Amino acid sequence: AQKVTQAQTEISVVEKEDVTLDCVYETRDTTYYLFWYKQPPSGELVFLIRRNSFDEQNEISGRYSWNFQKSTSSFNFTITASQVVDSAVYFCALSGVTGGFKTIFGAGTRLFVKA
Amino acid sequence: KAGVTQTPRYLIKTRGQQVTLSCSPISGHRSVSWYQQTPGQGLQFLFEYFSETQRNKGNFPGRFSGRQFSNSRSEMNVSTLELGDSALYLCASSPLGGVGTEAFFGQGTRLTVV
Repeated sequence: AQKVTQAQTEISVVEKEDVTLDCVYETRDTTYYLFWYKQPPSGELVFLIRRNSFDEQNEISGRYSWNFQKSTSSFNFTITASQVVDSAVYFCALSGVTGGFKTIFGAGTRLFVKA
Repeated sequence: KAGVTQTPRYLIKTRGQQVTLSCSPISGHRSVSWYQQTPGQGLQFLFEYFSETQRNKGNFPGRFSGRQFSNSRSEMNVSTLELGDSALYLCASSPLGGVGTEAFFGQGTRLTVV
């Protein structure tokens, strides 16, 4: 079975603080993909990053960075110097061979960034 | 390039009725997936279509159905609506779909069943 757990339901920070969103996954596949999506109030999910199971390099994109650790089955997302515009729901997701063409999403973490 | 377009954006229906939601994918995308989002269950996969064929289906009752047309536009239908069907229905498209493919989402159709 495949599962994605985002234990943090809501996080509230003050602008310019750093914040880390946790994601833990379960899968028996050796080949799988992990994603992060952002859902602003407008509703559509916006793709942020994809990682395959063979690439454990950390990724940095502007204020965003991702830490993928297979040893702990985690794919955490850090926003540095958060801004009010970062307020949204963030979803971690998993897509694997066993799941066919389904992508399994975590429950999401709602981030509030206060000015 | 136009994004994924879902119509209508909002819908109110009465229990027992049926409803059809529409999704126009990004031009050139052949895979369309549908998701149901509720506060209690989160984002749940409904089904995925590719070249007019359903490739995968989630764990939803037969009241939920879909189809895809030759221009890749997709519709989903829910018959005999129940109160629990109230949700945000999201459509996502991608060029070919499949494992590991990033998806482009529409803004969703918010369905309220009264």
